[in-house]
Amino acid sequence: GAVVSQHPSRVICKSGTSVKIECRSLDFQATTMFWYRQFPKKSLMLMATSNEGSKATYEQGVEKDKFLINHASLTLSTLTVTSAHPEDSSFYICSATDDLSNEKLFFGSGTQLSVL
Amino acid sequence: RKEVEQDPGPFNVPEGATVAFNCTYSNSASQSFFWYRQDCRKEPKLLMSVYSSGNEDGRFTAQLNRASQYISLLIRDSKLSDSATYLCVVNKGAAGNKLTFGGGTRVLVKP
Repeated sequence: GAVVSQHPSRVICKSGTSVKIECRSLDFQATTMFWYRQFPKKSLMLMATSNEGSKATYEQGVEKDKFLINHASLTLSTLTVTSAHPEDSSFYICSATDDLSNEKLFFGSGTQLSVL
Repeated sequence: RKEVEQDPGPFNVPEGATVAFNCTYSNSASQSFFWYRQDCRKEPKLLMSVYSSGNEDGRFTAQLNRASQYISLLIRDSKLSDSATYLCVVNKGAAGNKLTFGGGTRVLVKP
């Protein structure tokens, strides 16, 4: 089946640094990728939707200058957390689809970000 | 009111017992419904889609009640491996068809 590779799986960084998370679709072309964050015991919250070759669409309350999303190819999207702070510590997950209905979602394995 | 609401649980279930829980959604235009399973610090995995007529997949049965705007999941003959968080997912039906996740219902199956 379709596979989405996400890495790193875990990252620990100092406050003020930037962290890049990659999400790759391995055997299909992902027209749309979604980025979520999840705090402990909370639901997945959609951060942004990215379409290849265009600017990402951010959900209300998500700072686009803080969470930079690039979707330069049909197989790769990146999320960069700029100037990370402890409150950015969270579980970040990407998902991808090649289906216009966006109902067949394939998830990456997630990235646990810890900002010290 | 949250778009998709679930009882967070946990539901403590004896092994072999039956457990059922619901999920309510606020957007009457929602088109598609799913149950996902998520283990701790792992990605969600599709458990089953929910069809209007209700559907069954082994020990799992899903129901949709459009009039009352809720879906349900029933697990029969619970196994220890069924312990997980079950996420209710709704397609909002708007342009872009973004999926909205509920907060999840935690199920703990104990021997």
